[in-house]
Amino acid sequence: DTGVTQSPTHLIKTRGQQVTLRCSPISGHKSVSWYQQVLGQGPQFIFQYYEKEERGRGNFPDRFSARQFPNYSSELNVNALLLGDSALYLCASSFKAGGLRSADTQYFGPGTRLTVL
Amino acid sequence: AQKVTQAQTEISVVEKEDVTLDCVYETRDTTYYLFWYKQPPSGELVFLIRRNSFDEQNEISGRYSWNFQKSTSSFNFTITASQVVDSAVYFCALSEEGAQKLVFGQGTRLTINP
Repeated sequence: DTGVTQSPTHLIKTRGQQVTLRCSPISGHKSVSWYQQVLGQGPQFIFQYYEKEERGRGNFPDRFSARQFPNYSSELNVNALLLGDSALYLCASSFKAGGLRSADTQYFGPGTRLTVL
Repeated sequence: AQKVTQAQTEISVVEKEDVTLDCVYETRDTTYYLFWYKQPPSGELVFLIRRNSFDEQNEISGRYSWNFQKSTSSFNFTITASQVVDSAVYFCALSEEGAQKLVFGQGTRLTINP
């Protein structure tokens, strides 16, 4: 079975530019979550989407946005890049988004390493 | 608010030694979920185990074992007879009931020396 895939693997941008990161979930999974991992720290939650709707948002500025497509793949967009946006961006998929007395296990992709110069 | 603390930033041991990674969590919920992930140098987070708060049974999987204690809000991870391939950063994470996110600790960098 194919796991979570992300593209591109690496990306170099300059301050002020915009970037789009892509993620394809595990086949059959309907939920995608995005995390930012700055060097030396644990991942920080950015967004979760389930059935094309936003189900959760972390403490990130409006420069960060995302969407999910009918095939459950997802894009993360970051506008007006800052040096501090340099990080590993991780996508995770789960069967659903969790609910009462449940929390689906999230499986992570290899990440996209973004460098902002 | 939920929080996960991994007080050990780095651990270095010699191969075949046993090593325990500590994880302490904070949550106001009575139903929550705990996870351990492994992050090798390649960067991908690899799922290791999930534990529900209403199931306090400890678990063993090969050389890996997990000790969940609600009384001390801890979910520790032990590797028995460590191997060089166990070298990685290990993260403990918490998810509250109905929440849509994982809250991660800072991670513990484990180095197994031959």
